[in-house]
Amino acid sequence: QVQLVESGGGVVQPGRSLRLSCAASGFTFSFYNMHWVRQAPGKGLEWVAVISYAGTNKYYADSVKGRFTISRDNSKNTLYLQMNSLRADDTAVYYCAKQGYDSVVKYYFDYWGQGTLVTVSS
Amino acid sequence: QSALTQPASVSGSPGQSITISCTGTSSDFLGYNYVSWYQLHPGKAPKLVIYDVTNRPSGVSDRFSGSKSGNTASLSISGLQAEDEADYFCTSFTSSSTWVFGGGTKLTVL
Repeated sequence: QVQLVESGGGVVQPGRSLRLSCAASGFTFSFYNMHWVRQAPGKGLEWVAVISYAGTNKYYADSVKGRFTISRDNSKNTLYLQMNSLRADDTAVYYCAKQGYDSVVKYYFDYWGQGTLVTVSS
Repeated sequence: QSALTQPASVSGSPGQSITISCTGTSSDFLGYNYVSWYQLHPGKAPKLVIYDVTNRPSGVSDRFSGSKSGNTASLSISGLQAEDEADYFCTSFTSSSTWVFGGGTKLTVL
């Protein structure tokens, strides 16, 4: 079955960096666009970034553009999120999510991980 | 990238029906039917319950249904059950190749 397992979260000081990972299994990882979505404490979901199946196209939310970088290693079935210049308002649970595909690209997230908590605090 | 607008909370008694709205702009919805809905229970992975406005993934109860009129999409749940108590979020693919979520709606089953 599809599994997405995030790791790399923790407590980090403002201005520092952190890299999140998402290990995928149960599907052909290299066929699917992948996303990061976050949820700040007591807040709603916020889309963060997407990377195309081959890694050639990437899009970001305005709130993280220029600070976060999404990448993937299809040989390792792993998605990454490099987060630099972290701010207090980046504190959130970060989820990786798989975008649907059924002969054509689908515009929804059909599987999600359980998330990893990032806390930005001095 | 403004969030789609959802009511903060809705409630209903077991067996009743509720509807959650999700309002955006024409650029949010792109004129296409790319609205999806997700159910979040605390500490669990989000779960897709409706995609492409009206479609239900395999395994999701037929008590869940979706619709859209103009720039407002809706999620309806009939025959409310205690297990339906959760947060619900809508999302849409936008004209700038990004995604936007609604602010979320807390459903309370009384």
